[in-house]
Amino acid sequence: GDSVTQMEGPVTLSEEAFLTINCTYTATGYPSLFWYVQYPGEGLQLLLKATKADDKGSNKGFEATYRKETTSFHLEKGSVQVSDSAVYFCALRASSGNTPLVFGKGTRLSVIA
Amino acid sequence: EPEVTQTPSHQVTQMGQEVILRCVPISNHLYFYWYRQILGQKVEFLVSFYNNEISEKSEIFDDQFSVERPDGSNFTLKIRSTKLEDSAMYFCASMADGMDTGELFFGEGSRLTVL
Repeated sequence: GDSVTQMEGPVTLSEEAFLTINCTYTATGYPSLFWYVQYPGEGLQLLLKATKADDKGSNKGFEATYRKETTSFHLEKGSVQVSDSAVYFCALRASSGNTPLVFGKGTRLSVIA
Repeated sequence: EPEVTQTPSHQVTQMGQEVILRCVPISNHLYFYWYRQILGQKVEFLVSFYNNEISEKSEIFDDQFSVERPDGSNFTLKIRSTKLEDSAMYFCASMADGMDTGELFFGEGSRLTVL
């Protein structure tokens, strides 16, 4: 079945460091890909998405490019802030209508000043 | 900004007891979901609900689970006889339409601890 694998955390970075959180997927067809973020004490929020190959999703300085050839959707940010500390979830939805989101395990990011 | 709200935020129960987790989805949304996350594991799909019936469920969603939308606003998850392994964070979500590119809006979660 469809699955998402993302790098294990926790990830600890200093402020203004470069962030990469790796995400690879296994799916039939052409899934839509998502990154969700969960800030402390809050629910999951959509951070960005990409719906077809080579699309780049971006939001709040974060970017991820849908790479079909490597089945990847790595999350990047050039300069992280303390306020980016959260748990980041990679997810996919198969391209066959209202199918459930399939999530990765989540990666906890801590940014220290 | 409209949001999905869940209650309770944390519930502790004894094994074998019934638990009801409540969710108020965003008012004009049509699709509703329950997910759960056991500590340290993946966020797992439990069930989706549309047009007053279950549209899909996972193998986790066995006979001890049920969902209801009793009054057009609340969306509840009932666990009839809780087991230790039901301890998890339960997330409710809603979506406006059935597009595969659509955004799910999640609540803050209800943490269930079964003793």
